[in-house]
Amino acid sequence: DTEVTQTPKHLVMGMTNKKSLKCEQHMGHRAMYWYKQKAKKPPELMFVYSYEKLSINESVPSRFSPECPNSSLLNLHLHALQPEDSALYLCASSQVLSQGYYNEQFFGPGTRLTVL
Amino acid sequence: AQSVTQLDSHVSVSEGTPVLLRCNYSSSYSPSLFWYVQHPNKGLQLLLKYTSAATLVKGINGFEAEFKKSETSFHLTKPSAHMSDAAEYFCVVSEVDLNPPGNTPLVFGKGTRLSVIA
Repeated sequence: DTEVTQTPKHLVMGMTNKKSLKCEQHMGHRAMYWYKQKAKKPPELMFVYSYEKLSINESVPSRFSPECPNSSLLNLHLHALQPEDSALYLCASSQVLSQGYYNEQFFGPGTRLTVL
Repeated sequence: AQSVTQLDSHVSVSEGTPVLLRCNYSSSYSPSLFWYVQHPNKGLQLLLKYTSAATLVKGINGFEAEFKKSETSFHLTKPSAHMSDAAEYFCVVSEVDLNPPGNTPLVFGKGTRLSVIA
């Protein structure tokens, strides 16, 4: 299995809702990533998990809360989002070659989020 | 710190003609370079990668790229464009950092939109 899957494909939520995005991979990768991509822009890194521990948080607002419950799963919990948070949210995974060294990233298809 | 410049925001070619997407990078240390493709409303797919082995890198779907250190370039080429190649292409760099030791996060170029005309 060489795939990263993401659910749901689309999500519409109000500013007071709580929702979660889910990402799963079965490639044995021990690094997983969340990116945010606005239209016609490159992806922007949000979080990196290595061996289920948060290793990078790119100063993301606390209304985004990541969770890595096991080596195959990555969640992004959303609460009190703003309309400007509407974007494509991409998950990726990669092998960890050694401490701090990662192989190429494989991306999922993304979740299209709309905040009303 | 590393950076990537994709020299064209939009390239348009006729089907069956060659494709050239240009990328220049800046890196303090030995870089790893990637090209990713993104079709509309899809995730990113890795086309090819350079990690200090052969300077001419072959990827999927007939694409290849040549690492030229003297020109700090990593241009993507394909001999003959197909309609299915129409997509957004990202040139991406990562490098080895020393403090702390490890790869730096990926740095993306702004993307080049490839249009293929029938």
